[in-house]
Amino acid sequence: EVQLVQSGAAVKKPGESLKISCKSSGHIFTSDWIAWVRHTPGKGLEWMGSIYPRDSDTRYSPSFQGQVTISADKSITTAYLQWSSLKASDTAMYYCARQDVRLGSYFFDYWGQGTLVTVSS
Amino acid sequence: DIQMTQSPSSLSASVGDRVTITCRASQSIRSYLNWYQQRPGIAPKLLIFATSNLQSGVPSRFSGSGSGTDFTLTISSLQPEDFATYYCQQSWSAQFTFGQGTRLEIK
Repeated sequence: EVQLVQSGAAVKKPGESLKISCKSSGHIFTSDWIAWVRHTPGKGLEWMGSIYPRDSDTRYSPSFQGQVTISADKSITTAYLQWSSLKASDTAMYYCARQDVRLGSYFFDYWGQGTLVTVSS
Repeated sequence: DIQMTQSPSSLSASVGDRVTITCRASQSIRSYLNWYQQRPGIAPKLLIFATSNLQSGVPSRFSGSGSGTDFTLTISSLQPEDFATYYCQQSWSAQFTFGQGTRLEIK
């Protein structure tokens, strides 16, 4: 079965960098897109971007382009989400998810357990 | 970006009720609309893909319909575990977007 296991919660100060991970198993990592989704109480779910690990083709939401970097390491079937300079507004729960397509519709069918990122001085 | 608007934002209902949640797209998305359920503290769960197709393992009391810009999620007979927040998500545009969510609460 497909499993996505994310790294643990992080508490950071504004301006610090962070890289969180999503270890994938149970599927062919290089054949599936992996997405990152942000969840906040105020805005709900927001798609941040997706990566195709086979060739590292990456798509970003305009809202997150330039704010985060999505990457993947095929050798260890792990996707990453990183920030170079965190802001308090980055405080949220972050999920990775497998992206699949059927009948032409792209959806997220397997999800990690979430990584809570808290940014506070 | 395609904007997705759900209504209502919150809803109170009782066990056994029939409930309908609406999702409207700012432009036609054909049938590329998916629905998710999220319980507090738990990752979202895919319920329906491509407007009306039930994901494996999802109870048949959940159903979806619509096309173009207007879509609905219906729960035919609410069960205690159905009280959660529901989100629609479009994939007509490569810039995927979610609705703001509908919180379903116990009356």
